[in-house]
Formats: sequence, structure tokens, C-alpha cells
Amino acid sequence: AQSVTQLDSHVSVSEGTPVLLRCNYSSSYSPSLFWYVQHPNKGLQLLLKYTSAATLVKGINGFEAEFKKSETSFHLTKPSAHMSDAAEYFCVVYGNKLVFGAGTILRVKS
Amino acid sequence: DGGITQSPKYLFRKEGQNVTLSCEQNLNHDAMYWYRQDPGQGLRLIYYSQIVNDFQKGDIAEGYSVSREKKESFPLTVTSAQKNPTAFYLCASSGTGVFTDTQYFGPGTRLTVL
Repeated sequence: AQSVTQLDSHVSVSEGTPVLLRCNYSSSYSPSLFWYVQHPNKGLQLLLKYTSAATLVKGINGFEAEFKKSETSFHLTKPSAHMSDAAEYFCVVYGNKLVFGAGTILRVKS
Repeated sequence: DGGITQSPKYLFRKEGQNVTLSCEQNLNHDAMYWYRQDPGQGLRLIYYSQIVNDFQKGDIAEGYSVSREKKESFPLTVTSAQKNPTAFYLCASSGTGVFTDTQYFGPGTRLTVL
């Protein structure tokens, strides 16, 4: 069975500082992993996905994530936060279905 | 523009009533999905459909029903049997691979039971 744990329910950063949203996964085989973003009262938008190609995955809006098998992690990063990045972020692992993490709410302070 | 539309955006229901949420896609996707989102719980799968006239229960199907008469449409009915229906409902679609292809989401319907 697959599972995913987002280690922080809330993250707060200042505009222009780095963003780190942490995600650990559990999978009995090589997983597919995704990060989605959701702005308030909106649907989910795909940021990036990992499907066993390069371990460093680049996504939209300057986000990237690194797949680390030894640590079973897939953390999302961005070098410099922007006010428009404030949203909820979901880490997702694919097994025989998509399994969603509980979400991390990112707050960006001006 | 291609995409997924959900209507209505907000829906209010009295206890004991059935309501139907609409989901339409023009992406020519075979697979469609319904999720329920509650605060702090991520998304949970209600039903999914791989092809027309076929659908499967997800993790929390009790109190819900669906139909898939057309490729473009996958309506969800929240019945009076659903004990706690107040939530945000998201519809998604993907290509031929159920759960393997990237899922694209609609804007959601927020259902409130009065």
C-alpha cells in the first residue's frame, strides 16, 4: 500500500526567501509522485511530477522537487517566494490509485 | 479553451434532499473522477470511471451515486443517505490510463447542508 505524509500543516515564509515543503512517502515499489497546488476555493493545478526519470524535477512557477529514494522523500522547494505562491500544496503518490497528503498551507509575508 | 467545468460553484441543500453536481470535460479524456475534500484531510476518492457506461467505487462511495452516459459528462448525486455531505467536491479527468495519467481538476463545487 502507498501512503504519503506531509510533515508540516502550515509553513510561513517572507517574500523573497526560500520555500521548503516536506513530503515523505511509502511505497512497495518505485512510485510516481506529484505535487499539486490549490488556491482558495479553486481546483488543483499540477506543479510537477516524478515518474522515475531524473531525480530532480522542475515544475511550473519556479518550483522543483528532488526524489530521494534512500530517504523516501520528495520535498518541494523554490528559491524565492512570491506573494502569489500563497496556497495549499498537496503531495500525491500513485499506487493503484492516487493517495493525497493532508496538505501544507503556505503563507507568504510581505 | 479545453478544460473541466463544474457547476454550480456553491450549492445549498436541506437535509433529506438529493442533489446532483455537474462535471463536464472537453479534453477528450477517457477517465473521470470525483473527490471529496475536507479541511486537513486532503482529497478522498468517491467514484471513478475509466470508460463510458462503466464506473467503480472509490474509498468513500457510500451515500453517493454516479452515471457515465457520455464521455464528456460524469455527474455526481449526493443522496440523503450521505450522513455528512458538507464538503468541497472536485471532479478530475485524465487520459486513457486510470490513475497513471496526469489528472486535471475542475474548479470545484462547495456543498453546504442547511
